[in-house]
Amino acid sequence: GQQVMQIPQYQHVQEGEDFTTYCNSSTTLSNIQWYKQRPGGHPVFLIQLVKSGEVKKQKRLTFQFGEAKKNSSLHITATQTTDVGTYFCAGPWSGRNTGFQKLVFGTGTRLLVSP
Amino acid sequence: KAGVTQTPRYLIKTRGQQVTLSCSPISGHRSVSWYQQTPGQGLQFLFEYFSETQRNKGNFPGRFSGRQFSNSRSEMNVSTLELGDSALYLCASSRGVNTEAFFGQGTRLTVV
Repeated sequence: GQQVMQIPQYQHVQEGEDFTTYCNSSTTLSNIQWYKQRPGGHPVFLIQLVKSGEVKKQKRLTFQFGEAKKNSSLHITATQTTDVGTYFCAGPWSGRNTGFQKLVFGTGTRLLVSP
Repeated sequence: KAGVTQTPRYLIKTRGQQVTLSCSPISGHRSVSWYQQTPGQGLQFLFEYFSETQRNKGNFPGRFSGRQFSNSRSEMNVSTLELGDSALYLCASSRGVNTEAFFGQGTRLTVV
């Protein structure tokens, strides 16, 4: 079945350090989305990558989509306490026997930032 | 514009009972997906509805069911509740699976 793994599961950094989470899919994806969930909150969309090798930046966040469109990464430069939360990647997978796609989420990476 | 609204926010039920959760999507969104979130299992896909039709279903027992109404509002039902059903249930609406999904605040279900 479809699998989307993220590593690491958890990371604790000091404020100012960099952070990277990696997302690996068992199948090729047409696109990949990234979400952030703050503690006690709900997932919030960050970005979508569509093209092979695509790189997008949002201030201190850099998102990459692999050349084979099976992996992606999110890099945060100089983390801040406001970056605390769980980061999920998500991609469309074809449903079993339906022909329709569903949005499947990765296992998530929980980031803790100490001041 | 109004976001995704889920009701109720919190629920406490006893084993064996059944529960119905509601989700009102963003106006104009015809796709509604449901996810179960538990600390050790992340976001598990339950099902997705589009224009009142269930297009996809995750690997959950038949006790989990759902439906979507003509106004795109969706409900999910869990019958014969088990302790392991305790979780945060999230609803997400979108224009389609390849577009941004907007999540509601979730319903926190506790089964005792």
